[in-house]
Amino acid sequence: KAGVTQTPRYLIKTRGQQVTLSCSPISGHRSVSWYQQTPGQGLQFLFEYFSETQRNKGNFPGRFSGRQFSNSRSEMNVSTLELGDSALYLCASHGGRAADTQYFGPGTRLTVL
Amino acid sequence: GNSVTQMEGPVTLSEEAFLTINCTYTATGYPSLFWYVQYPGEGLQLLLKATKADDKGSNKGFEATYRKETTSFHLEKGSVQVSDSAVYFCALSDVSGGSNYKLTFGKGTLLTVNP
Repeated sequence: KAGVTQTPRYLIKTRGQQVTLSCSPISGHRSVSWYQQTPGQGLQFLFEYFSETQRNKGNFPGRFSGRQFSNSRSEMNVSTLELGDSALYLCASHGGRAADTQYFGPGTRLTVL
Repeated sequence: GNSVTQMEGPVTLSEEAFLTINCTYTATGYPSLFWYVQYPGEGLQLLLKATKADDKGSNKGFEATYRKETTSFHLEKGSVQVSDSAVYFCALSDVSGGSNYKLTFGKGTLLTVNP
C-alpha cells in the first residue's frame, strides 16, 4: 500500500501571501489530520477531517483552514502568512476507528520570508 | 486537558549502550499510547504502541509498557545502534470525551548514538 503523500515538499512564500498544502491519505483511510511542527512549540494539532467533515480543531487562528474531498484527499490553507507560520506541516491518515493508528506523511516545509 | 511529558534531551550514547527515554502522561479517559520516531528531514514513523493498561508495545528491539498506575510509557532498548539516532516522540490519543483521535505529543527527545 502506498503511504501518505504530501505536496509540495518545500515551499517558500513571503509575508501576506497565502498557501495551499495537499495531502493524499493511505488508500481506504477516511480520516486526515494536520499538525504543525516548530522548534519552539513542537508538534501541535491543527484539525482533523473525516468523511469531508471537520471533526476536531486545534487552537489556531482562523487564517488556518482546511477541507477534505470525497476521495479523502485533504488540503489546508493558510492565508495572510506571517513569519511565525514557518514550520513543517505534517499530515496523518487514520482508518477512523478508535484503535487505529495515525500514519504520517513526510511533511511540507514552509518558509515564510 | 491531556498532556505528555518526556525527558529533555539531547541524549548521547555509545553504540550497544542501554537506552531509556522516560514518558509520563495526563489524560481523561482511556488513552492509547505511542512512540514515534523522526529521522532527519523526514516525517514521523510509528515505532510502537499500546492501547490498554499493562500492554507492552515492541518493535525493532524497542519496548514500552503501558503503566496506568504510574501513568508512564517509558521507551527502552537494550543495545542501541548508530542507525537509532533520531528524535523520539511520546504521544497519546484519547478518543473519549469527543477528542476524536487527536494526538497529543511530548516535546521530543533527540538521541545521538556514537560508534
